[in-house]
Amino acid sequence: QKEVEQDPGPLSVPEGAIVSLNCTYSNSAFQYFMWYRQYSRKGPELLMYTYSSGNKEDGRFTAQVDKSSKYISLFIRDSQPSDSATYLCAITDTGFQKLVFGTGTRLLVSP
Amino acid sequence: EAQVTQNPRYLITVTGKKLTVTCSQNMNHEYMSWYRQDPGLGLRQIYYSMNVEVTDKGDVPEGYKVSRKEKRNFPLILESPSPNQTSLYFCASAQAGAGNEQFFGPGTRLTVL
Repeated sequence: QKEVEQDPGPLSVPEGAIVSLNCTYSNSAFQYFMWYRQYSRKGPELLMYTYSSGNKEDGRFTAQVDKSSKYISLFIRDSQPSDSATYLCAITDTGFQKLVFGTGTRLLVSP
Repeated sequence: EAQVTQNPRYLITVTGKKLTVTCSQNMNHEYMSWYRQDPGLGLRQIYYSMNVEVTDKGDVPEGYKVSRKEKRNFPLILESPSPNQTSLYFCASAQAGAGNEQFFGPGTRLTVL
């Protein structure tokens, strides 16, 4: 079993839709949960970062962590064509140096 | 501009010909790391370095070497490349500290024939 599981997609939605991206993980020691966005031919860039359980909101983006279910989510409201990218979840226990990445979900937002 | 740079961006080589991919960061970060990204496998860590002269293996270190002689540079060395090392490689850097953001370079696409 992989430490982090993520549906590769692609996920296609119309502009303005609410998008839900998810990851599951197996190691209950994980405490730091991140979402990276990767545009085509670019390196990943940090989008959201959450410590432990709960929600975190930043503009149109909301990150949610449910440690009891070992499930993390990223919600995108009012999705835009510029949100079209691959979204990777990344998780670690206490060591920032040992990030474990999901395989990434490719999102396509059509105008 | 704060950034991580990698060179070359694209490289086609042949089996067994030693190569080096350079990585440099201008943010005075202690931590640097190399990843490879393959379809269906995601990003996997090759090696990382917590500071100058301190390096450690990641999840897939076989066939790779690294060195950290200066804080800003972290080259990735393939002594004898093989076709299974054909991949997209990313260098990243971060300030030391739990949960700190890793800044990624633009990537190096390597093809080994």
